[in-house]
Amino acid sequence: DTGVSQNPRHKITKRGQNVTFRCDPISEHNRLYWYRQTLGQGPEFLTYFQNEAQLEKSRLLSDRFSAERPKGSFSTLEIQRTEQGDSAMYLCASSPPEGLQYFGAGTRLSVL
Amino acid sequence: TQLLEQSPQFLSIQEGENLTVYCNSSSVFSSLQWYRQEPGEGPVLLVTVVTGGEVKKLKRLTFQFGDARKDSSLHITAAQPGDTGLYLCAGRPPHGSGYALNFGKGTSLLVTP
Repeated sequence: DTGVSQNPRHKITKRGQNVTFRCDPISEHNRLYWYRQTLGQGPEFLTYFQNEAQLEKSRLLSDRFSAERPKGSFSTLEIQRTEQGDSAMYLCASSPPEGLQYFGAGTRLSVL
Repeated sequence: TQLLEQSPQFLSIQEGENLTVYCNSSSVFSSLQWYRQEPGEGPVLLVTVVTGGEVKKLKRLTFQFGDARKDSSLHITAAQPGDTGLYLCAGRPPHGSGYALNFGKGTSLLVTP
């Protein structure tokens, strides 16, 4: 296993378009997290899954954002009607129960 | 709310120098993690500290957790250009918020040859 995998690595879109990102966690990890990082800031928590259940959502996760983890393996993060303020690095992390979080390389989103 | 304050925000040094970066909070954390992040990449876990007063060494990097578990430091001996990156400390907030990590803003380190 090579770690947490995120696709695509880069996404450029026009304002108003929808985008979807994918995260494949480390195979034996049942917990999966999404974070967002903007320039000059540390990652900020968006949402958390334990298996297929979404157990926690940040106030940062507006109605335009939705995340799924349908079979408790990979996860998708969709942003509808993108805005320029959505431009950021979107990071996925996974962990075993009560374990440390390991991050993927991220998806860099640019909204023009 | 920024629970973890990191200092300095930026640090530029020459190869061979020593440096210390700090991570401070008014809250008690059960553990703190240190990550290093390179531009365009995700954070890479370096170490976790759990016990107050704990010291961990990773080659030229020394990590310390404060006795009261409210602060941590990272000391690098004889810095090398390969140490360049953003150093982030992170921990789980002490109350509520489940399993999300709370990050500091990071210390951006540049080591020049």
